[in-house]
Amino acid sequence: DAGVIQSPRHEVTEMGQEVTLRCKPISGHDYLFWYRQTMMRGLELLIYFNNNVPIDDSGMPEDRFSAKMPNASFSTLKIQPSEPRDSAVYFCASSLLASGTTYNEQFFGPGTRLTVL
Amino acid sequence: AQTVTQSQPEMSVQEAETVTLSCTYDTSESNYYLFWYKQPPSRQMILVIRQEAYKQQNATENRFSVNFQKAAKSFSLKISDSQLGDTAMYFCAFMRSYNTDKLIFGTGTRLQVFP
Repeated sequence: DAGVIQSPRHEVTEMGQEVTLRCKPISGHDYLFWYRQTMMRGLELLIYFNNNVPIDDSGMPEDRFSAKMPNASFSTLKIQPSEPRDSAVYFCASSLLASGTTYNEQFFGPGTRLTVL
Repeated sequence: AQTVTQSQPEMSVQEAETVTLSCTYDTSESNYYLFWYKQPPSRQMILVIRQEAYKQQNATENRFSVNFQKAAKSFSLKISDSQLGDTAMYFCAFMRSYNTDKLIFGTGTRLQVFP
């Protein structure tokens, strides 16, 4: 298995620009999570999807952030316009809830390090 | 709301020695999962060990074991025979136990293993 794939691995942009982060979950997984890691706030969930439908977006900071999952194999996290305080590492994770279980391990991608100047 | 607290920002240990990382959490849930994740300099998040709250027996994975005290809401990680490759950030995390849910992370403990 290729694991969770994120692109780009590094992104440097200027304040005010649009940024799009991409994620390909593990094939067959039905949950997809976006987490953000910063020094100030640590690791926090932004949004997660089940079967391509957003379930909990309470962690999305503000209207500048949006996430989509048009199909089971692709998700995007978009920031428009970007600000320096958005600088962070953004992780995507995916999981599969197997029948008869209440736990499913979340597999993390390598993260995208975003720097907004 | 659930919270996870790691009170040790940094720890160090000599190779082959044992070290214990602390974690406490707060929840009103009766059933849940607790995790320890390792994040080496590569940034990759790696699951080290998992504990289900309804299980009294402490989880173990090779050199890694936990001390789960449900009443005290404490979940510490013991690393035995520390190796240089154990150098990393370690995050304690909580997840409610129904269908699936988000992970709530502590702030992390940076562990340095010295030769």
